[in-house]
Amino acid sequence: DTGVSQDPRHKITKRGQNVTFRCDPISEHNRLYWYRQTLGQGPEFLTYFQNEAQLEKSRLLSDRFSAERPKGSFSTLEIQRTEQGDSAMYLCASSSFPRDSLFSSTDTQYFGPGTRLTVL
Amino acid sequence: LAKTTQPVSMDSYEGQEVNITCSHNNIATNDYITWYQQFPSQGPRFIIQGYKTKVTNEVASLFIPADRKSSTLSLPRVSLSDTAVYYCLVGDMGNQGGKLIFGQGTELSVKP
Repeated sequence: DTGVSQDPRHKITKRGQNVTFRCDPISEHNRLYWYRQTLGQGPEFLTYFQNEAQLEKSRLLSDRFSAERPKGSFSTLEIQRTEQGDSAMYLCASSSFPRDSLFSSTDTQYFGPGTRLTVL
Repeated sequence: LAKTTQPVSMDSYEGQEVNITCSHNNIATNDYITWYQQFPSQGPRFIIQGYKTKVTNEVASLFIPADRKSSTLSLPRVSLSDTAVYYCLVGDMGNQGGKLIFGQGTELSVKP
């Protein structure tokens, strides 16, 4: 399977603990996105990378959240001192966005299966 | 990014054609219209994208009128496996790309 993969698929933790999620994008995709989704709502943007550079970060992302993509391939999302309100599905997506194209192109994002976090 | 409005839910029966209309009155010149499908406990899946007129692929068609203030996703002959949430998104997916802004989507229920 060459799609986006996420690990773990499920995580249960106690309030105050730190958790880290991993996302492996589709090979050679230069963009990687993180979203969060709660029950009954659409996914909510958190942050995204182009290669190893973090280009945008949502204001919703408190300083307890940090994301990295050190070599421009896989990415990790860490949540420190988890709170019950952090319980959600964390989704990763990747895309191939040409940097030097002379023509307009579209940025189709391919999502992984998500990591479901439950904070007790 | 432009805000979209779509029905919260729709019901259909197997074999019928389903049309889901999305309203986006403030769409900008550079904005594309994109639809995603999401099954429970899975990430969204890209269905179709268009800028104007009509786009068709192997799973759906997208109709966009000349003023581009609305669009209609058409699913031909739906089956039970098309039961999912469908999201209409509008944004500059062209030169800049970037984050997707999802609304609540339309929950489609297909009955036998």
